[in-house]
Amino acid sequence: GAGVSQSPSNKVTEKGKDVELRCDPISGHTALYWYRQSLGQGLEFLIYFQGNSAPDKSGLPSDRFSAERTGGSVSTLTIQRTQQEDSAVYLCASSRIGGDNEQFFGPGTRLTVL
Amino acid sequence: AQSVTQLGSHVSVSEGALVLLRCNYSSSVPPYLFWYVQYPNQGLQLLLKYTSAATLVKGINGFEAEFKKSETSFHLTKPSAHMSDAAEYFCAVTSKAAGNKLTFGGGTRVLVKP
Repeated sequence: GAGVSQSPSNKVTEKGKDVELRCDPISGHTALYWYRQSLGQGLEFLIYFQGNSAPDKSGLPSDRFSAERTGGSVSTLTIQRTQQEDSAVYLCASSRIGGDNEQFFGPGTRLTVL
Repeated sequence: AQSVTQLGSHVSVSEGALVLLRCNYSSSVPPYLFWYVQYPNQGLQLLLKYTSAATLVKGINGFEAEFKKSETSFHLTKPSAHMSDAAEYFCAVTSKAAGNKLTFGGGTRVLVKP
């Protein structure tokens, strides 16, 4: 079956512009996670959606970051007024709820802010 | 709170030699533990997981890890390194209490010498 997909695979933007990153989780997975991978900070949690519950936004680094998940499936991570320190690979993962919570990762979106 | 420490950001092994990657975790509740591998420009692929069943866990590609509660460790081993094992490896911890959010170690990059 299809895995987690993310688009675009690469995004280059200018400082101050807004960007949207998309994640399509595995069908039937009710949990969706965003992580960021950067040279300085390693892999860090950003936000977590579970079904219809309010998302856990505890990892978002600033109010320039937001995410939504429409219809319990596709998710969009939006970064407003991008800064150079936002340059990173943004990884999305999905999982079933219950059991061992194995998370399946997408290939990531590499964001470069010039 | 939960945390993961991976000892050694870079490990060099000869082809055919033992691979040993160290991971120590901190968790106030029973943890779920994972090892992921990341090949260049790709997402994270699960190698193996510990979810409170057998303490010796076997994964893909000949890797295994042993959960040792008394040492709060989950070291990853492979008896004989192959050139294709060259990649970056991440240890991660989560729990139901943590909302199943993964906390990653800093990663260990493995170089395999012929």
